[in-house]
Amino acid sequence: EAQVTQNPRYLITVTGKKLTVTCSQNMNHEYMSWYRQDPGLGLRQIYYSMNVEVTDKGDVPEGYKVSRKEKRNFPLILESPSPNQTSLYFCASSFGQGVGEQFFGPGTRLTVL
Amino acid sequence: GDSVTQMEGPVTLSEEAFLTINCTYTATGYPSLFWYVQYPGEGLQLLLKATKADDKGSNKGFEATYRKETTSFHLEKGSVQVSDSAVYFCALSDGGFGNEKLTFGTGTRLTIIP
Repeated sequence: EAQVTQNPRYLITVTGKKLTVTCSQNMNHEYMSWYRQDPGLGLRQIYYSMNVEVTDKGDVPEGYKVSRKEKRNFPLILESPSPNQTSLYFCASSFGQGVGEQFFGPGTRLTVL
Repeated sequence: GDSVTQMEGPVTLSEEAFLTINCTYTATGYPSLFWYVQYPGEGLQLLLKATKADDKGSNKGFEATYRKETTSFHLEKGSVQVSDSAVYFCALSDGGFGNEKLTFGTGTRLTIIP
């Protein structure tokens, strides 16, 4: 089954404790992206990757890192989480053909205390 | 920059009612337009799309027409069902410089009562 998977689905952590949210897709997509969803703001792009070893900042990259060492994986790293990073995070992927149709993972709800 | 303005919710309708969710956009180029739907506890799913002016996207009884003159992409359905209860997001992508970033509206929560 074609899908985007994320782990963990739920996470409660404390300020400053490094964490990684994994994202994996099995559709051989070149383009992958991370969004955060906050009430009243919709979804906003954090980082994106057009291919292996090619990543760039989205609209709200501060406090996040990403890596793209393999085509299927695109982990999101919070090296020193803060409470303002409490949010619902979505990973998305596509073939990168310029038409913007993306496949989304199920989401990771992160709470930083 | 690009932006999407979406009808504020929440919206509550009775089953079989007519649905319209308004969406207007601002973009410098010729974006592709999308409606995504988010069911409770799930990720977003593409509902329909239109890639150029006057295109009509349709799926599962929903329709939206890309209106360049009014910069709009309103979502409509003639007869809603309880199973249509979800959050609906209007979005655009201009595909600039290889970034397929989707710019989203704030979402409209739709509840259909039997």
